[in-house]
Amino acid sequence: SAVISQKPSRDICQRGTSLTIQCQVDSQVTMMFWYRQQPGQSLTLIATANQGSEATYESGFVIDKFPISRPNLTFSTLTVSNMSPEDSSIYLCSVDSLAGVSSYNEQFFGPGTRLTVL
Amino acid sequence: AQSVTQPDIHITVSEGASLELRCNYSYGATPYLFWYVQSPGQGLQLLLKYFSGDTLVQGIKGFEAEFKRSQSSFNLRKPSVHWSDAAEYFCAVLDSSYKLIFGSGTRLLVRP
Repeated sequence: SAVISQKPSRDICQRGTSLTIQCQVDSQVTMMFWYRQQPGQSLTLIATANQGSEATYESGFVIDKFPISRPNLTFSTLTVSNMSPEDSSIYLCSVDSLAGVSSYNEQFFGPGTRLTVL
Repeated sequence: AQSVTQPDIHITVSEGASLELRCNYSYGATPYLFWYVQSPGQGLQLLLKYFSGDTLVQGIKGFEAEFKRSQSSFNLRKPSVHWSDAAEYFCAVLDSSYKLIFGSGTRLLVRP
């Protein structure tokens, strides 16, 4: 399995500002994903972070609102831009099986970033 | 489209009692199925997974799940629940684009 860390673990932000969340993995992985978990809800995939190219966004999520970077095989960032109270959620990154090790697409999750927007 | 249904929003069991959490999926081919647990304030931890082979899958923490193709189900079971099992449980299926589709979750409460 992979060890995944996220920074910050939680934050309280003002409306209209932006927050960048970091996801660091202790080993190289092929795919990284970003999810949103709204209060009391299940997880919704925001986008797939592609190394060296633009992220692939799911329906309802756009790059201007959630820009993503993936500079290498162990690191990614998600920015929540121009925040509103509706963006208050837990944001989680996940990674697939270690690059070149498994083809079973087993995902491991980071601890999450709890965001509150006032 | 692929989907996952967890019909029980909340379940309360007494400590030491058996547990079954229901999960139904909609998927055209042989599904890759997962159960995750999320403790309060924590990320998701993989309990077990099914890809192929034996339809009864053993996981961590004493959990098991049984894949029943005829019923499109992948129910999670545990013979004796511990207070530390109180958490949110998510069933998920891997779709054709290798993305996880999650159910809405079941919150497990454990009575002392």
